[in-house]
Amino acid sequence: QKEVEQDPGPLSVPEGAIVSLNCTYSNSAFQYFMWYRQYSRKGPELLMYTYSSGNKEDGRFTAQVDKSSKYISLFIRDSQPSDSATYLCAMTPHNTNAGKSTFGDGTTLTVKP
Amino acid sequence: NAGVTQTPKFQVLKTGQSMTLQCAQDMNHEYMSWYRQDPGMGLRLIHYSVGAGITDQGEVPNGYNVSRSTTEDFPLRLLSAAPSQTSVYFCASSLDGSSSYEQYFGPGTRLTVT
Repeated sequence: QKEVEQDPGPLSVPEGAIVSLNCTYSNSAFQYFMWYRQYSRKGPELLMYTYSSGNKEDGRFTAQVDKSSKYISLFIRDSQPSDSATYLCAMTPHNTNAGKSTFGDGTTLTVKP
Repeated sequence: NAGVTQTPKFQVLKTGQSMTLQCAQDMNHEYMSWYRQDPGMGLRLIHYSVGAGITDQGEVPNGYNVSRSTTEDFPLRLLSAAPSQTSVYFCASSLDGSSSYEQYFGPGTRLTVT
């Protein structure tokens, strides 16, 4: 069983919809939770990170972490065609773990005008 | 700043050939990593480095070597290419141990082994 499972998608929504992207994990040592966005044929770029449990908001994006359920989510409000990309969740036990983050397989989102 | 750069962008190898994928960063980051990404799959860590002269294995290190003689460069060597190594390879860097969760990725190298 993988340490990180991500809803596979693909996901297709109309412009303006609220999007929910989700990951579950099994390693209770994970403390840092990241969301990366990857446009086609590009490298991933960090969207948001959250430490431990709770919510974090950045513009139209909200990241939620529920450590008791080992479940994280990324919500996108008022989705735009420019949000069309693959979204990868990633986790690491602590901030000194360098590039040893564990990634989900990604969810491909298409926002239709 | 150019950020993280990777060369080449594309490469086709025959089985058994060797090659080096180049990665450089100009942000004075201590930490650097190599990942591979296969279709429909996330990123899997091959090797990583926490500073010049220090490297360690990741999840899928077999068939790959790395060295880090300078802070800026972190090349990945394929010793004897196999079709199973057909993938997209990403190099990433992060500032240091206090913020290693924030990684900056290069544009990738698409490798095909025939």
